[in-house]
Amino acid sequence: EAGVAQSPRYKIIEKRQSVAFWCNPISGHATLYWYQQILGQGPKLLIQFQNNGVVDDSQLPKDRFSAERLKGVDSTLKIQPAKLEDSAVYLCASSWTSGSNGEQFFGPGTRLTVL
Amino acid sequence: GNSVTQMEGPVTLSEEAFLTINCTYTATGYPSLFWYVQYPGEGLQLLLKATKADDKGSNKGFEATYRKETTSFHLEKGSVQVSDSAVYFCALGGNFGNEKLTFGTGTRLTIIP
Repeated sequence: EAGVAQSPRYKIIEKRQSVAFWCNPISGHATLYWYQQILGQGPKLLIQFQNNGVVDDSQLPKDRFSAERLKGVDSTLKIQPAKLEDSAVYLCASSWTSGSNGEQFFGPGTRLTVL
Repeated sequence: GNSVTQMEGPVTLSEEAFLTINCTYTATGYPSLFWYVQYPGEGLQLLLKATKADDKGSNKGFEATYRKETTSFHLEKGSVQVSDSAVYFCALGGNFGNEKLTFGTGTRLTIIP
């Protein structure tokens, strides 16, 4: 079974530039999550999708961050414009809708550096 | 809201030593509890989980017991190996497979030969 795929693995941009990250979840997983992991901290949920609908985006900075999952499979997360404090690893995870007792499967992450 | 308090690191042990990483939580209802591990250069992987009080999760020699009375889920291993060097995250989540995880800050473990 293929795991969660993310690209790019690394990205360096200057502040005020735009950046986009892509995630392809495990086949059949209806729920997709984007987490932000700042160095030295645990991952923090940014947004959660159930198929192509948003379940929770309460911690997404909506003035600069956006995410979509148009066909209920792949997802993109965008930052526009980036700030220095956005430097972090962005993790995508997916899970079954139910029956897994909460287990989520994580991709390798995209490490973003904002200069 | 939900929160997880995890033992601060870094932790350095000699090979074959006994390991304990403390984790306590605050939550409403009856969350599931998890330990995730992040090996160098790799993504987060589920190490073990427990879904109800008094459950014991175990994997790769690691164990953790869901203690509702003390709201704890401490990670233990009787004899660590160099290959156990990684960052360990305690997390809590829902019971239905589609609820967000709340993570602790992580504990970096280094095992020296």
